[in-house]
Amino acid sequence: AQKITQTQPGMFVQEKEAVTLDCTYDTSDPSYGLFWYKQPSSGEMIFLIYQGSYDQQNATEGRYSLNFQKARKSANLVISASQLGDSAMYFCAMRDDSSASKIIFGSGTRLSIRP
Amino acid sequence: GAGVSQSPRYKVAKRGQDVALRCDPISGHVSLFWYQQALGQGPEFLTYFQNEAQLDKSGLPSDRFFAERPEGSVSTLKIQRTQQEDSAVYLCASSLAGTDQETQYFGPGTRLLVL
Repeated sequence: AQKITQTQPGMFVQEKEAVTLDCTYDTSDPSYGLFWYKQPSSGEMIFLIYQGSYDQQNATEGRYSLNFQKARKSANLVISASQLGDSAMYFCAMRDDSSASKIIFGSGTRLSIRP
Repeated sequence: GAGVSQSPRYKVAKRGQDVALRCDPISGHVSLFWYQQALGQGPEFLTYFQNEAQLDKSGLPSDRFFAERPEGSVSTLKIQRTQQEDSAVYLCASSLAGTDQETQYFGPGTRLLVL
């Protein structure tokens, strides 16, 4: 069965510093997709970045980049130049290989940015 | 451009009451998903529609949970005879076509509290 593991329940980072949120995954499917979502206190899940298993390059979206290490089955999110508004829960997720529909989420990391 | 909207945003129900949660997906999105998010955890898949067809309901926790999307647009998640363990945030998401690479866009959620 597929599984997403986020080992950092909470992190504190100084404003303007870069931060790396860890994510490892487990799947036997050679084709899969990995996502990162941000969930602020308002509750909405905000899509940040997507990485396909066959993508040759690491995905980047503005200040977000995904450090994809396929052999290690890791997909860490890197946020550069952190801002106070980055304080939120961050979820790593994977598309389920038994179904093209559902997404499996990790348990999340709560990121707090200090001014 | 409107995103996914959900109503009500908050719902308090007495144990045993029936509730109905509404989701308006992004216009033109074929696929619609419901997830349940317990406090402090990542979302868990409930069910999936492609147009009006419910293609996967494997995540519905009991036969008290029922979802429909009769015209392939708005969807309603109904919970009958609510129990305290049903208290959670119910998230709706939509995607353009529900294919393997499609990103799901989430609504703000309905926070359900069963007393």
